[in-house]
Amino acid sequence: NAGVTQTPKFQVLKTGQSMTLQCAQDMNHEYMSWYRQDPGMGLRLIHYSVGAGITDQGEVPNGYNVSRSTTEDFPLRLLSAAPSQTSVYFCASSYDPLFGNTEAFFGQGTRLTVV
Amino acid sequence: SQQGEEDPQALSIQEGENATMNCSYKTSINNLQWYRQNSGRGLVHLILIRSNEREKHSGRLRVTLDTSKKSSSLLITASRAADTASYFCATYRKMKTSYDKVIFGPGTSLSVIP
Repeated sequence: NAGVTQTPKFQVLKTGQSMTLQCAQDMNHEYMSWYRQDPGMGLRLIHYSVGAGITDQGEVPNGYNVSRSTTEDFPLRLLSAAPSQTSVYFCASSYDPLFGNTEAFFGQGTRLTVV
Repeated sequence: SQQGEEDPQALSIQEGENATMNCSYKTSINNLQWYRQNSGRGLVHLILIRSNEREKHSGRLRVTLDTSKKSSSLLITASRAADTASYFCATYRKMKTSYDKVIFGPGTSLSVIP
């Protein structure tokens, strides 16, 4: 059982470039979310989805887009990378749409550097 | 300001000792979870305690919740070198007018010295 798989693990972008961070889960979870982790800040919610075709903004959505065409996949797109988006990005999923009522499963993370 | 804040920020102990980490939060919550993160890895769920519970155990882990003080503690007994990791509390609050909030604290970095 693979759980939550994120690709790539590491990425370096130049300012202004765009890219997509991939996230896939094989647990048939309805709820998926993207977080960014910065030193001393904890994890901050970027976007989340409660099911295929349904997405919404989290705490820090600016500069990021998401879509959810299938239950399994939840890609995060950086439209025009900025140095402020240098961070470690985590994808998480849970079977309960009321995330927080049950455990979340996290991917291994993508370490992104924008130069 | 952050909902959950762990204390201390860093903790170093000898193998076999107990480790205690605290989490304080500011608003009412529905439940609180603790996660562990090994270096360079994703977060792993440890335990969930609901707002109507005061204490929960899981193996060598003991979590308490004091809603009157808006605080929780995580106790790891008989620590091992493998317990070296960062530990995060995450508070969950059901919202009426916006998305349900799950807020992570900045974490406590635990080093267990063999």
